[in-house]
Amino acid sequence: QSVLTQPPSASGTPGQRVSISCSGSSSNIGTNNVNWYQQVPGAAPRLLIYSINERPSGVPDRFSGSKSGASASLAISGLQSEDEADYYCAVWDDRLNSVVFGGGTKLTVL
Amino acid sequence: QLQLQESGPGLVKPSETLSLTCTVSGGSILSSGDYWAWIRQPPGKGLEWIGNVYDSGSHHYNPSLKNRVTISLDASKNQFSLRLTSVSAADTALYYCARALAVDAFDIWGRGTMVTASS
Repeated sequence: QSVLTQPPSASGTPGQRVSISCSGSSSNIGTNNVNWYQQVPGAAPRLLIYSINERPSGVPDRFSGSKSGASASLAISGLQSEDEADYYCAVWDDRLNSVVFGGGTKLTVL
Repeated sequence: QLQLQESGPGLVKPSETLSLTCTVSGGSILSSGDYWAWIRQPPGKGLEWIGNVYDSGSHHYNPSLKNRVTISLDASKNQFSLRLTSVSAADTALYYCARALAVDAFDIWGRGTMVTASS
């Protein structure tokens, strides 16, 4: 059972905007910056968003992050087939003194 | 361009020690402010943070593994390593090393190395 709760699956059609949620608590998302990772099958995870809504070099601006209270969201606009992957949120938890990951959301592009 | 490569045995017997090395190329492991991390992923499951080591040599470990894990730096070889003692089948996973921009923002990853704990 993950400390951070993500929906197990999400889907959308090409060109659509989709959002993936990550629900935590006051000891993690409520206090600290959230990061998002993309993992395509057979590959290592890739940092997509850090510090809530910063994108590393090379990440398209179709990806954006937000946070409200103890929840965070990753939004993908202009959905493309190459976006089909697993997405994970991650954050430092002050109570556990640990980095915690969400359980992951499998995004399917229909 | 910074690159990371994991290496180590792919099979470890239960109760024995898992030892992995991450070799960093294209940059120094002692670059100011960098953190270095180990993360693992059991087959078909999600990501689990193991721990970080800092260029100062200090570290943070996952409390669930704290008594069994050691992460250390070897600046002379531009490497950092993971030791996990008393392994069991639950430690079977794909082990990744990574660089961290911050304690929880891992921006450069190795390809991962599969470790199976089995007799």
